[in-house]
Amino acid sequence: KQEVTQIPAALSVPEGENLVLNCSFTDSAIYNLQWFRQDPGKGLTSLLLIQSSQREQTSGRLNASLDKSSGRSTLYIAASQPGDSATYLCAPEGDRELSFGAGTTVTVRA
Amino acid sequence: GAGVSQSPSNKVTEKGKDVELRCDPISGHTALYWYRQSLGQGLEFLIYFQGNSAPDKSGLPSDRFSAERTGGSVSTLTIQRTQQEDSAVYLCASSPGTFGYTFGSGTRLTVV
Repeated sequence: KQEVTQIPAALSVPEGENLVLNCSFTDSAIYNLQWFRQDPGKGLTSLLLIQSSQREQTSGRLNASLDKSSGRSTLYIAASQPGDSATYLCAPEGDRELSFGAGTTVTVRA
Repeated sequence: GAGVSQSPSNKVTEKGKDVELRCDPISGHTALYWYRQSLGQGLEFLIYFQGNSAPDKSGLPSDRFSAERTGGSVSTLTIQRTQQEDSAVYLCASSPGTFGYTFGSGTRLTVV
């Protein structure tokens, strides 16, 4: 069974700082890895999808890296803004489904 | 539609009653998933439909839970004889099979 760990569990930073969110997973036999954002009381919004053959993926201020062999992914958010406050979820995709970590809750202070 | 649609968005039910939750996936997506997110917990996989194949029900927590997908499109998750521990947000996602999942906004179920 895939186990996903996200560190830190929570993070509070002043606006403008860069964020580093870490994800580790136990089974490296994955097809893809997705990063999602979840706002309180809302569903999940997909941020980035990294295919297993890729090492990283970028979208605007977001960059995610993937080291499949070591079971690690990192999400970088540059120049954080208060609107980035949310819970960020890492989800590697196996044979059947996405497995989720507990998430990192980010608060960006204005 | 453009996204995954779930209804109702909120449901309050009395303990012991049956509930039905609906998911309308993105048109053309062959795979459909149900997840459950309890308060303060991570997402728990419930069931997976792929095309016309038999669903993978291995994540369903008890025989009170069932799901069907009609015509390879709309799916209904049914919970019979609801219990308070069933209170959670139920999330549906669909996928074209290769490039990621799209989630709906979820149904918040409260059993009183």
